[in-house]
Amino acid sequence: AQSVTQLDSQVPVFEEAPVELRCNYSSSVSVYLFWYVQYPNQGLQLLLKYLSGSTLVKGINGFEAEFNKSQTSFHLRKPSVHISDTAEYFCAVSVTGGFKTIFGAGTRLFVKA
Amino acid sequence: KAGVTQTPRYLIKTRGQQVTLSCSPISGHRSVSWYQQTPGQGLQFLFEYFSETQRNKGNFPGRFSGRQFSNSRSEMNVSTLELGDSALYLCASSPRGLEDTQYFGPGTRLTVL
Repeated sequence: AQSVTQLDSQVPVFEEAPVELRCNYSSSVSVYLFWYVQYPNQGLQLLLKYLSGSTLVKGINGFEAEFNKSQTSFHLRKPSVHISDTAEYFCAVSVTGGFKTIFGAGTRLFVKA
Repeated sequence: KAGVTQTPRYLIKTRGQQVTLSCSPISGHRSVSWYQQTPGQGLQFLFEYFSETQRNKGNFPGRFSGRQFSNSRSEMNVSTLELGDSALYLCASSPRGLEDTQYFGPGTRLTVL
């Protein structure tokens, strides 16, 4: 079975500072990895995904993530955050052909002025 | 293209009642997944449908059921509502061949009194 652990439930950061949201996964088979963002009272929006190929994945809104197979991690980074990045971020994993996505518990990013 | 739409957006029911939620996927998408989101349990997978067939389901009691119609629209039903069923129910659709990449609707907020 697959599982996802988001290591921080909340991350406060000042505007224009860099941020890293950590995600570790567990799986005995190859997986696809995703980061989603959820703004208040909205559904989830896909930020980026890793399916194969380059381990550094660039997404929308200036976010990027790096797949590290040996450490089973998929941390999300942004070099300079904005107030508008305040939201909840979810790391997720799925198995090819499994038709099921497992989400982490979420990390609440709070950007302060 | 229009995004995933869910109706109704808000719903209040009492214990013991049943409820039906509706989801219209993005045009051309044939895979629809449902999730339950609560503060305590996070995002939990309910089931996934493709071409009117359920391909996978999560660990929910039989009170939770779903179906998909020939136009890919999907409904989920919860019978004999319990207080713990209060949650945001999210629907996501995926394009063919990219079922792991999901586009979420805004959700239906169900409150059980």
